[in-house]
Parts: sequence; structure tokens; C-alpha cells
Amino acid sequence: RKEVEQDPGPFNVPEGATVAFNCTYSNSASQSFFWYRQDCRKEPKLLMSVYSSGNEDGRFTAQLNRASQYISLLIRDSKLSDSATYLCVVNGAGGYNKLIFGAGTRLAVHP
Amino acid sequence: ETGVTQTPRHLVMGMTNKKSLKCEQHLGHNAMYWYKQSAKKPLELMFVYSLEERVENNSVPSRFSPECPNSSHLFLHLHTLQPEDSALYLCASSQDPGATNTEAFFGQGTRLTVV
Repeated sequence: RKEVEQDPGPFNVPEGATVAFNCTYSNSASQSFFWYRQDCRKEPKLLMSVYSSGNEDGRFTAQLNRASQYISLLIRDSKLSDSATYLCVVNGAGGYNKLIFGAGTRLAVHP
Repeated sequence: ETGVTQTPRHLVMGMTNKKSLKCEQHLGHNAMYWYKQSAKKPLELMFVYSLEERVENNSVPSRFSPECPNSSHLFLHLHTLQPEDSALYLCASSQDPGATNTEAFFGQGTRLTVV
């Protein structure tokens, strides 16, 4: 089983749509969770951290379910500029910062 | 503007060549990483350096040799690579190697092609 699994997509949605991405992770000892965004041929950049109580940043909402080892990202009112690959990232156990990346979910927002 | 700088941005090398990738971070971080990103695959962690000491070598072949002379610089020395080593090599840094809730900042990567 992969350490971090995501639906690769692509998700093709119109502007203004709401879209949700899911991610599962295998290591129950994982302590921290993130969503990164990667544009085509660019480096990944942090979109948001994911907290146990769930957190929101503008149009983006992240949720964590530790019991099911499941993370989600909801994007409301999609913009053309949201088109990118969204990477689910989990910090593996080991006593130091070791980020394990999912393969990413590709989002294409069209007019 | 990224605080992590990688050079070169693009590299084409033959299988018998020796080359080095360089990474420099200007963020005062104490941990640095090499990741490999192949087409349609997730980022694969290769090496982790914490306070200039290698703490992770993720079963990487010996034809890849990392070097971390100080907390601001990281190198990846390459020799006798194979065509399947062609990929985007990303360097990253983070603030506290002992913290588990710290984001990593990435460089723009070196796109390597082995011919």
C-alpha cells in the first residue's frame, strides 16, 4: 500500500464550481499534514497545513480524520488560477521532518 | 522569489559524465532535502540532512552522492547515471529538523536528462 494515496484526476470543473479532493495515508503515527500546490513545471508550494479541528483559508477548507487516516481539501468558487496539481503531504514518523508526498490530484478549471 | 536556489536549472549529461547539482538556502534553516520527481510519479525523498548530518538515505543508488558542507549548502554529485535517472531534482529546506509540523520550502529544481 502506498504511504499517501490520492485520486490522480484530472478534475475538470467550470469556474465557480466547488470541488473536493481526498487523500488517505497509511502511517497511523503521522503527526502533521499539509496540502501543497504544484503548477506545471514549477516547484511545490505550501497551500495550507491541516489541523485536527479542520481549518479554512478563504475559499479553501481542509479536514483531517485521524481515525480513518483521511484528509480532504475543499475548494469553493473555483478560479481559473486554481488550475494546478494538489499534493497531499504527510509527515512520516522518524523524529525529524520527513515529508511524504502523494502523487497529486490534477485540477483544471475552465471558463 | 524563492529562498532556496538551485543550479543549474537544466542539465543534460552522458552516462559516463560526472556532474554536481547545487542547492543554497537563504532562510536560516537547519534541515535540507533532496527529492526526485519523475514523470507521473510522486516526489520521492532521497536524502535528508539535519544540522549537516545525513539522517536519511532512502535506498538511493551510490551513483548519487550527497554532500552538505554547511547548513546553507547542499550538493548532489552524479556519476555514471542511467537514462531512467532523468527527472526533476528538487532541493528543499525546513527550519527545525526536530519539528514535525514545519513546512518545507522548495527550490525551482534541476531538470536532468541523461543521454
